[in-house]
Amino acid sequence: AQSVAQPEDQVNVAEGNPLTVKCTYSVSGNPYLFWYVQYPNRGLQFLLKYITGDNLVKGSYGFEAEFNKSQTSFHLKKPSALVSDSALYFCAVRDPRRWGDSSYKLIFGSGTRLLVRP
Amino acid sequence: DGGITQSPKYLFRKEGQNVTLSCEQNLNHDAMYWYRQDPGQGLRLIYYSQIVNDFQKGDIAEGYSVSREKKESFPLTVTSAQKNPTAFYLCASSIEEGDTEAFFGQGTRLTVV
Repeated sequence: AQSVAQPEDQVNVAEGNPLTVKCTYSVSGNPYLFWYVQYPNRGLQFLLKYITGDNLVKGSYGFEAEFNKSQTSFHLKKPSALVSDSALYFCAVRDPRRWGDSSYKLIFGSGTRLLVRP
Repeated sequence: DGGITQSPKYLFRKEGQNVTLSCEQNLNHDAMYWYRQDPGQGLRLIYYSQIVNDFQKGDIAEGYSVSREKKESFPLTVTSAQKNPTAFYLCASSIEEGDTEAFFGQGTRLTVV
């Protein structure tokens, strides 16, 4: 079964320091991977995705993510954190194979709260 | 201005009542989804629909019902059978291609009083 794990409930980092939010997945074959951000009482906003090609993908607000097939990971990174980056971050996976009732469901991790202190 | 709209933003329900949450999109997306969000549990899929007049149960469909009579609309009814309905509900849509991202509404916070 498809699954996504975000092993850290919360990540704390000082402003200006690099940040990493971890994500691992379990999907047979080559998955489609996504990162979303959520601010309080709001919907999710798309940050970036990996479909194929270069393992390092760049997204909105200076975020990037590195796809590692051997480790089945898709960690979110940013070289220099801002206080305004503080939010809830979700990793998601979609199995690109289409069959039965599992086609194109988007499965989310449990979320990681990022706290950037001034 | 294209997007996905959920209404109302806040909803209060008495125990034993059914309530319907609205989700409308003008993005011409085929697929639509309903998720439930509880603190510390991430997003759990309630129902999804890949095309008009068709929908599939997600992981936590019990106590919920949906309809998809129009491409633009995917309302969710929280029935009295749902034992713990207080949560934040998120609707999303996407084109029916696996490599595209989903777009989310701003959510509806349902509270049982």
